[in-house]
Amino acid sequence: SQQGEEDPQALSIQEGENATMNCSYKTSINNLQWYRQNSGRGLVHLILIRSNEREKHSGRLRVTLDTSKKSSSLLITASRAADTASYFCAPLEGSNYKLTFGKGTLLTVNP
Amino acid sequence: DTGVSQNPRHKITKRGQNVTFRCDPISEHNRLYWYRQTLGQGPEFLTYFQNEAQLEKSRLLSDRFSAERPKGSFSTLEIQRTEQGDSAMYLCATLKDGYSPLHFGNGTRLTVT
Repeated sequence: SQQGEEDPQALSIQEGENATMNCSYKTSINNLQWYRQNSGRGLVHLILIRSNEREKHSGRLRVTLDTSKKSSSLLITASRAADTASYFCAPLEGSNYKLTFGKGTLLTVNP
Repeated sequence: DTGVSQNPRHKITKRGQNVTFRCDPISEHNRLYWYRQTLGQGPEFLTYFQNEAQLEKSRLLSDRFSAERPKGSFSTLEIQRTEQGDSAMYLCATLKDGYSPLHFGNGTRLTVT
């Protein structure tokens, strides 16, 4: 099984700026999922992008997927202090539906 | 859709005691996952089920850990003879199918003193 590796490990920006987080993985996938986690809480699903999709939007979130490079990115536009959280990507292999996680990106949005 | 429910939310136990956590999945989600998470780390995979069948158990998991999912509904995770290193957040998540996201519960925070 594989896990996504997020980069950078930490990111600090000012409110209103955009935040970009990257994810790399190793083998072929069925889909790739992005999650957010506020301190002490469970993970909340943000976006799922399928292997045949290249870009997906949801509100202020934009996810891209490049299967040739085995990488994905999550862009948060016009960030808010409430976006402060850890962000994780999880690639899903089609064969066994096992989802594993990396260490995540800790995003801090300063007011 | 009432979400994934985990109980208890917090558990404090003394070293050497046994603890059991429960996870109630979203109905019709046939895959159920257990993860462990410590501060500053991502969720670490422990085990997962398809219906009542346990498909895989992490090799990092000692024999003190056991999980069950009788009848393919709720699941329990038991830790025997707890150690201080078991202190962590234990997360349960369920999955409907390969085209859907994982749904997480809020976790059970275990503190072993």
